[in-house]
Amino acid sequence: NAGVTQTPKFQVLKTGQSMTLQCAQDMNHEYMSWYRQDPGMGLRLIHYSVGAGITDQGEVPNGYNVSRSTTEDFPLRLLSAAPSQTSVYFCASSPPRDRAMAFFGQGTRLTVV
Amino acid sequence: GNSVTQMEGPVTLSEEAFLTINCTYTATGYPSLFWYVQYPGEGLQLLLKATKADDKGSNKGFEATYRKETTSFHLEKGSVQVSDSAVYFCALNSGGSNYKLTFGKGTLLTVNP
Repeated sequence: NAGVTQTPKFQVLKTGQSMTLQCAQDMNHEYMSWYRQDPGMGLRLIHYSVGAGITDQGEVPNGYNVSRSTTEDFPLRLLSAAPSQTSVYFCASSPPRDRAMAFFGQGTRLTVV
Repeated sequence: GNSVTQMEGPVTLSEEAFLTINCTYTATGYPSLFWYVQYPGEGLQLLLKATKADDKGSNKGFEATYRKETTSFHLEKGSVQVSDSAVYFCALNSGGSNYKLTFGKGTLLTVNP
């Protein structure tokens, strides 16, 4: 049972570089989301998607782009990384029968220097 | 808007001690309430949930009761173990077609042998 898979687990970027954080789920969940976790801040919603072709902004969307071409995949793109984007990023998905119950990936620890 | 306030940590207990982590919320309508747990180096996992007033969620010896009159959802366990050491997050979902989760800042629990 793979669940929600995130890659990479760790990444170091230089300021201004771009990269894509990958997220895939094999549970046929409609809803997927990206959060960032910072010390003392809890988890904050970056972007979310309610199905293929549909995305929307969360609480802290600036500096991030997303797309949802398939039900399974929901990549998060950083176009020009900044030190303020140093964080741990979590992808999550939720089933339609229990929309508020999120299954989380193991996270990507990103450092921007 | 929705918000979750939970007990500031860290919390340090001896094995077999009683645990309470306080959580209060602000939300419109009738939210569902959750406790998630994050073990070191891992993503969040759903620990328990309650979907309506006076419901009690329970799992792995942990319990929390949805108290609408006090807008609270405190987490309790009668006898903690070293393996319970983790970060605990209280969260809410405002219901309907809304998938979004609003998280508290998290409480770090350390249980010493």
